[in-house]
Amino acid sequence: QVQVQESGPGLVKPSQTLSLTCSVSGGSINSADHYWSWIRQPPGKGLEWIEYIFYSGTTYSNPSLKSRVSTSLDMSKNQFSLKLSSVTAADTAIYYCARISRTFRGAFDVWGQGTMVTVSS
Amino acid sequence: DIQMTQSPSTLSASVGDRVTITCRASQSISNWLAWYQQKPGNAPKLLIYKASTLESGVPSRFSGSGSGTEFTLTITSLQPDDFATYYCQGYNTFITFGPGTKVDIK
Repeated sequence: QVQVQESGPGLVKPSQTLSLTCSVSGGSINSADHYWSWIRQPPGKGLEWIEYIFYSGTTYSNPSLKSRVSTSLDMSKNQFSLKLSSVTAADTAIYYCARISRTFRGAFDVWGQGTMVTVSS
Repeated sequence: DIQMTQSPSTLSASVGDRVTITCRASQSISNWLAWYQQKPGNAPKLLIYKASTLESGVPSRFSGSGSGTEFTLTITSLQPDDFATYYCQGYNTFITFGPGTKVDIK
């Protein structure tokens, strides 16, 4: 049973870079069958896809965030990481990491519990 | 990029009711459509993928249909555990979620 778990600072100052890591257990991120993704949810609002990464390192980003976001893989640690630069209060949200199944036609079949990130000075 | 809309945004229903939620995509996404259930304080849970395939362990009262640009999620007999927010999600290289439908108690 694959599980994913987010980790990182809960508080980030405006204009700084938000950095989160997702640890994957029970399966390998070096898989052609899955993508690895970040999604966020501002308090009381809906879900927003951020980016996903393939085992090859290819990434696809939400056009609205593309200029500020990057995701990378660490195969040795079976982790992937998110960096979101120049954050503002609008980036305050619960951040989820999740697995996308190619077999499931792009559905997110495994989710982390989420980590709350607040942008404030 | 595709836009996803859902209707209604809020739905008030009673236990035992049949509930239908509609999701529309701004362009055809074939059957690259998933549905999720989210309860307060929890991550979303996958219910249906490929528009109509029930995820393992999901009760059979949930069903999905549609293709192209119009999709529906149906709950045939609403149970107390089903009061939650439901999201559709489309995929065509990029990913978009619908705004959500909150199902609350009538």
